[in-house]
Amino acid sequence: DAGVIQSPRHEVTEMGQEVTLRCKLISGHNSLFWYRQTMMRGLELLIYFNNNVPIDDSGMPEDRFSAKMPNASFSTLKIQPSEPRDSAVYFCASSNLQGDKNIQYFGAGTRLSVL
Amino acid sequence: DQQVKQNSPSLSVQEGRISILNCDYTNSMFDYFLWYKKYPAEGPTFLISISSIKDKNEDGRFTVFLNKSAKHLSLHIVPSQPGDSAVYFCAAHPYNNNDMRFGAGTRLTVKP
Repeated sequence: DAGVIQSPRHEVTEMGQEVTLRCKLISGHNSLFWYRQTMMRGLELLIYFNNNVPIDDSGMPEDRFSAKMPNASFSTLKIQPSEPRDSAVYFCASSNLQGDKNIQYFGAGTRLSVL
Repeated sequence: DQQVKQNSPSLSVQEGRISILNCDYTNSMFDYFLWYKKYPAEGPTFLISISSIKDKNEDGRFTVFLNKSAKHLSLHIVPSQPGDSAVYFCAAHPYNNNDMRFGAGTRLTVKP
C-alpha cells in the first residue's frame, strides 16, 4: 500500500487566492483527519470524518476553511480566501478505529505559504 | 485548550545515554496513548502506544510508562542513537473514539 498520499507537497500562493489541498486515504481505512502544524501550537486537529461523515470540525479556524470527502478514499481541504496567517504545514491522516486502538497514518504533508 | 502537553520543546542527549520525553494530559477520558516520531519534511509515524489498563509497554529500545493517577506518561529511549533525532509527539484518545489530541512536540537531538 502506498500509504496516505497528499498533494501538492508545496503550495505558494498570494493572499486572497483559493487553495485546495488533497488527500488520498489508505485503502480500507474509514476515518480521515486534517491537521495543521505550526511552531506555536504543534499539531492541531482541524476536522475529522468517520465513514465520509464530518464528526468534529470545531478545530476549523473560521469559515474560510472547508473540508469534504466526496468518496471513501479521497478528501479535500479548501481555504478561500487564503491569508498569510494560514501559512503552515497541513497533514492528513487516516485510520481504521478498532476498539481501544486508533493508530493514525500520516501523509507527508503540504507546506503552504501565503504571501 | 491543550489537553495534551509536552512542556519541554527540546532535549539534547549524548549517544548511548537514555532519552526521557515527558507528556502530561488533562482529560480523564483518555484511554489510549501513543507516541509519534517526525523527521523533517515527513509526516509523523507511529512509534509505540499504551492502553490505560497497563503502566508499561516495551518495544526494543523504546519503553512507554503511564502513570494514570498523575496523568503523566513518558517515553524512554535506551540507548539513544543519532538516528533517533526527531520531533516526538505524544497523543491520546478516549476508548473507541477517533478524537485524538496531540501535544506540541519535543525535539530530541542525540549527539554522536
